[in-house]
Parts: sequence; structure tokens; C-alpha cells
Amino acid sequence: NAGVTQTPKFQVLKTGQSMTLQCAQDMNHEYMSWYRQDPGMGLRLIHYSVGAGITDQGEVPNGYNVSRSTTEDFPLRLLSAAPSQTSVYFCASSSRGLSRHTEAFFGQGTRLTVV
Amino acid sequence: GDSVTQMEGPVTLSEEAFLTINCTYTATGYPSLFWYVQYPGEGLQLLLKATKADDKGSNKGFEATYRKETTSFHLEKGSVQVSDSAVYFCALDDYKLSFGAGTTVTVRA
Repeated sequence: NAGVTQTPKFQVLKTGQSMTLQCAQDMNHEYMSWYRQDPGMGLRLIHYSVGAGITDQGEVPNGYNVSRSTTEDFPLRLLSAAPSQTSVYFCASSSRGLSRHTEAFFGQGTRLTVV
Repeated sequence: GDSVTQMEGPVTLSEEAFLTINCTYTATGYPSLFWYVQYPGEGLQLLLKATKADDKGSNKGFEATYRKETTSFHLEKGSVQVSDSAVYFCALDDYKLSFGAGTTVTVRA
């Protein structure tokens, strides 16, 4: 069972470069989200989507862009990488709909370093 | 806005010791509460949840009770094992999932 798949697992970028972090899920979940994990700060929500064609900003959206053209995929784009974007990025999905009770499934993470 | 505060780590214990990790929350609505666990090199996975006041969530020997009067959801385990070494996150879901900072737990044999 694939669940939530993130690629790549590791990436080093130079300041100013752009890249896309890929996220795909095979559980037909409507709700997908991106978080960044930094030491001492837990997970902070970057962007989320409640279905194909619908996205919204989370807590820390600046410098990131998302789109959701299919139910399965939710890529995260770094427009011009900065050292402050060095972090571990997690994609998550859930079948929540209007429910707050459902489990979120996480990918294994992408460790990004910006030099 | 909604927020979660959990006890800072790291926490180091011996095998068979009692573990408790404190978690308190602030929310305007009636959130569901969760504990997620992250093992080394992996993503987060659900450990347990509670969806309303006085509910007790339990899994793998861990327990937590949703206390609305104290806005708390403390995690406990009576006898930890080396395999319980991980980072534990308290979270609330009030239509957005908000996480605490995480508590690193190391259990020594």
C-alpha cells in the first residue's frame, strides 16, 4: 500500500533556485496539506487543499506556491529558494470532508537544504 | 487562534518507567485531539485520538483523556520500552490541524 508518497527524499538547492516537491496519494482523499518541520516549532501548515481546484494558505505560505489539478497530486513549489526555507517538508492527506475526526496520513518527508 | 502547548523535551527514561507528556490547548470551537508519533527517519503516524470531552483514546499501551475543564490531553504510558523512543506530537483539529512543538522521548535499556 503506497499511501502518501513524497519525492525527492533529500534535496540541496542554491539560493534563488526554484523547485517542486512532489506529493501523491492513492487513497482518494479530498484533503491534502503541506507542513514544514523545524526544531522546537513542531509542524507548521504551509498550504492546504480541500479538493481538486481548491487551495488555501496556511500559517506560513510566503515563498511557496501550490495547485491541485487532480485528487491524487498536490505539488509544492519553491519560487526562489532562501536559506530560511531549509527544513523538513511533510505532505499529508485525509478523508476529512467536513469532519474533524479523521486521521491524517503523512508522507516520509523531504529534507531540503538551501545553501 | 487555535494552539497547542506541550511539554518540552528531551525526555530520557529507563525501560519500564512511567511516561507522561503534558499537552494543553487553546481553541475557540470544540476540536478533536490527537497524539501523533514520529519514529526516526519516518513521517508522522496517528497514535490515538479523542473526539469529545471525557473521551479516552488508547493504543499500544498509551492513553490520553480529553479534559475540557482543564483544556488538556496528557499522554501516559505505564511501562515504556526501547521501541517507544520517538518524537510525540500533540495536535488539535478544529477544521485545521495544529501541532505542538513535539517532545523527543528516548528510552534506555
